[in-house]
Amino acid sequence: NAGVTQTPKFQVLKTGQSMTLQCAQDMNHNSMYWYRQDPGMGLRLIYYSASEGTTDKGEVPNGYNVSRLNKREFSLRLESAAPSQTSVYFCASSVEQGAYGYTFGSGTRLTVV
Amino acid sequence: DAKTTQPPSMDCAEGRAANLPCNHSTISGNEYVYWYRQIHSQGPQYIIHGLKNNETNEMASLIITEDRKSSTLILPHATLRDTAVYYCIAHPYSGGSNYKLTFGKGTLLTVNP
Repeated sequence: NAGVTQTPKFQVLKTGQSMTLQCAQDMNHNSMYWYRQDPGMGLRLIYYSASEGTTDKGEVPNGYNVSRLNKREFSLRLESAAPSQTSVYFCASSVEQGAYGYTFGSGTRLTVV
Repeated sequence: DAKTTQPPSMDCAEGRAANLPCNHSTISGNEYVYWYRQIHSQGPQYIIHGLKNNETNEMASLIITEDRKSSTLILPHATLRDTAVYYCIAHPYSGGSNYKLTFGKGTLLTVNP
């Protein structure tokens, strides 16, 4: 099925460990995004990639890095995980003109202990 | 993106219409009104969007006031599966760096049997 695929779905990390969250879309969308969602809060944008080859910081970029590997894939890396990064992470994509809304993945639930 | 205001929660009886209001009094001329929903533990799902005319699709109807300062999302026959947090977002259609959706806290709609 067409959509946004995120891996892994669940992850537990120890403080200081690193990991990469993977995201891939098969809709030929140009723009991709990473959001985080904490309990009782709305979604907050971490980083986005308006098109292949470009990335920009969002609202809460500290502690994260991203790579737009190609048009399909956009990864999020935590170099040294902290308990404050415990959250649910969502990847999303959209056509360049944003005409039909954004398509979100099912999320990665990350716990940092 | 223009700021939007939504009630934190609403209830609706199963089978009845659910009418979810949104205030966006500072919306600018190039901003569309988008609605998304998030069912518990899932990624947000695009529902509908509009500029100034009323819109309808297979999921919902969107009514935008003539002055565009407010809108109402209508689920004509709510079911238990419509229980979710509904987000109203004012966002430019396209262009420049306006690719980022800003999510607030939304409205928790609870559909009761």
